[in-house]
Amino acid sequence: DTAVSQTPKYLVTQMGNDKSIKCEQNLGHDTMYWYKQDSKKFLKIMFSYNNKELIINETVPNRFSPKSPDKAHLNLHINSLELGDSAVYFCASSLRGGNQETQYFGPGTRLLVL
Amino acid sequence: DQQVKQNSPSLSVQEGRISILNCDYTNSMFDYFLWYKKYPAEGPTFLISISSIKDKNEDGRFTVFLNKSAKHLSLHIVPSQPGDSAVYFCAAVVGGSQGNLIFGKGTKLSVKP
Repeated sequence: DTAVSQTPKYLVTQMGNDKSIKCEQNLGHDTMYWYKQDSKKFLKIMFSYNNKELIINETVPNRFSPKSPDKAHLNLHINSLELGDSAVYFCASSLRGGNQETQYFGPGTRLLVL
Repeated sequence: DQQVKQNSPSLSVQEGRISILNCDYTNSMFDYFLWYKKYPAEGPTFLISISSIKDKNEDGRFTVFLNKSAKHLSLHIVPSQPGDSAVYFCAAVVGGSQGNLIFGKGTKLSVKP
């Protein structure tokens, strides 16, 4: 009974390709997030959605487009992949998105751009 | 410009002893702090949190201490167990924000049997 799941777990692709990462949570949470962990191991927030609405949009290239078809899903589409996009991407969710709530993370998607 | 700093990349402790992981922050607007534990090839797992109105929170073997004047928090694990070996991330949230977690770089804890 996985709480926050991501697919695929590993993704190896060529520069210039377009790829998507899917995230689903079965916790009944209203808010979902995408984080990026770069080669220096920093975990940084990219986006958050509350009930399918964009709440946080950090300084991320517009090649990255999150899509939330319903509040249990938040997918990440990346256009024209670049070498620097190689990282681990984590999806997370929290109950309402308040600043004193616990966020629950998925297992991560390891993206390698060649 | 790191707002949350974990200056020790690694820590090695003997089983049964106390592990102390440290975290410093620069933003005085942070009002909630969390510790996450991460095993290789897994996502971060929530461990314990503390609000800025408290100076201590305890949960079993884990205690978090917050010193607001020093902008410092620490996680104490006692007694340490080999299963505690993982990377520990300190994270903070600005009051009134929409749950934007700011993470430190992590400290890798190794507990030796």
